[in-house]
Parts: sequence; C-alpha cells; structure tokens
Amino acid sequence: EVQLLESGGGLVQPGGSLRLSCAASGFSFSSCAMKWVRQAPGKGLEWVSAISASGGSTFYADSVKGRFTISRDNSKNTLYLQMNSLRAEDTAVYYCAKDPTTVITPPDYWGQGTLVTVSS
Amino acid sequence: QSALTQPASVSGSPGQSITISCTGTSSDIGGYNYVSWYQQHPGKAPKLMIYDVSNRPSGVSNRFSGSKSGNTASLTISGLQAEDEADYYCSSYTSTNTLVVFGGGTKLTVL
Repeated sequence: EVQLLESGGGLVQPGGSLRLSCAASGFSFSSCAMKWVRQAPGKGLEWVSAISASGGSTFYADSVKGRFTISRDNSKNTLYLQMNSLRAEDTAVYYCAKDPTTVITPPDYWGQGTLVTVSS
Repeated sequence: QSALTQPASVSGSPGQSITISCTGTSSDIGGYNYVSWYQQHPGKAPKLMIYDVSNRPSGVSNRFSGSKSGNTASLTISGLQAEDEADYYCSSYTSTNTLVVFGGGTKLTVL
C-alpha cells in the first residue's frame, strides 16, 4: 500500500523558514518523480514543485521560485521542501504527491498534507 | 485565476448523471493526453479518479468516466450516489514553464 506521510508544518512568521518532509513507503520511491502541491484555506489546488526520480531535475512554480527548494534522499525514501522567505500567501496545506512515472504525469497518490501558517 | 476552467458547481439527484467540463488550451489539455481528475472530500487529500484522459485506477467505480475533445476534458459520473458529493479537480501537463496546471475545482452537490 502506497503511503506518504508529511511532517514539518506549523506556524512561522513572515520571512521565516520551514522544512517539510514526506516519508514514502509501499512503492519503489527511487523510480518515481514526486511533487509538492498546496491548497490555501478554502481554495483550489496549486502545484508548487516537482523533482525527477533521480533528483537531477527540479521544477518550481513562479510563485515560489528562488524561495523554495525541493530535494530527495532515495536512501531514506524521503522527499523534502525547504521553504525560505515565507509570505502570508504561502499559508496552505502542503501535500506530497507521487507521480506514476515522470514529472509530466499528474500525481496518482497524495499524502494527507501538513498545514503551514505564515503569520505574525 | 486557475489555468484550467471548471464550473464552480454542479448538482444532480441520486441516480442521475452529471458532467463536469475542464477547458484549457493547446499547450495543455489540447496538446497532451496527461489529463487527470481528482475527488476531494472536505478535510481529506485528493484521490485520483481518472488518469490519461479516460483511464480508471484500480478500485475506482466504473460510474466515473473521462473524455476529451479539443481543449476541453470532461468527467462524467453516472448513477449519482450521496457519497459522490465532493469537490472535483482536473489537472493536466502543460508545455509552459508551469509544468502542471489545475482547474479551480467544481463542487458537486447530490440533491
């Protein structure tokens, strides 16, 4: 059974940093591209970032480019999202999502999400 | 403003069929078959219902079907049931630097 468990969310002040983690199990993590997708309170889904299976290619939405960094440790089956210079508009539930194969395929499994609140 | 356009809401009675549309451009829906549909109940994670335009993952009811014509994809739910009441999102690969685009979501109400 595919399981994705996010952690690391919480309350942070504007301009602060957080590091999200996503522990994966139940599939061959090193064979699958991964994504982070967020959902602001009461709003729709927004793609944030993606990473290839090897970690050699990364992609970012314009809204987070230069502030967020996606990475992965295939030896630990874990995906990360380092978030710096956080803004109020980054407040959202952040979902870790598995791609069936490459980054161009929309996700097939999602974690339960972790809430990030940016507020003073 | 979302890149893909969905109706904000649709409704139907139990047993009826409904269709949710998702309109994009030739850079996304019209150019590729990487269209997916997700169901999201309140407070829950999205669940994949349709992938690659018209394929159903194992375990998803055959009451759910997907199609595409030009720049518009559609999700049809037949034999509506109370448990189908949820938000539905479409998604597509895009050849722009965005990589992935989502629709704004459609709230399905089962009357």
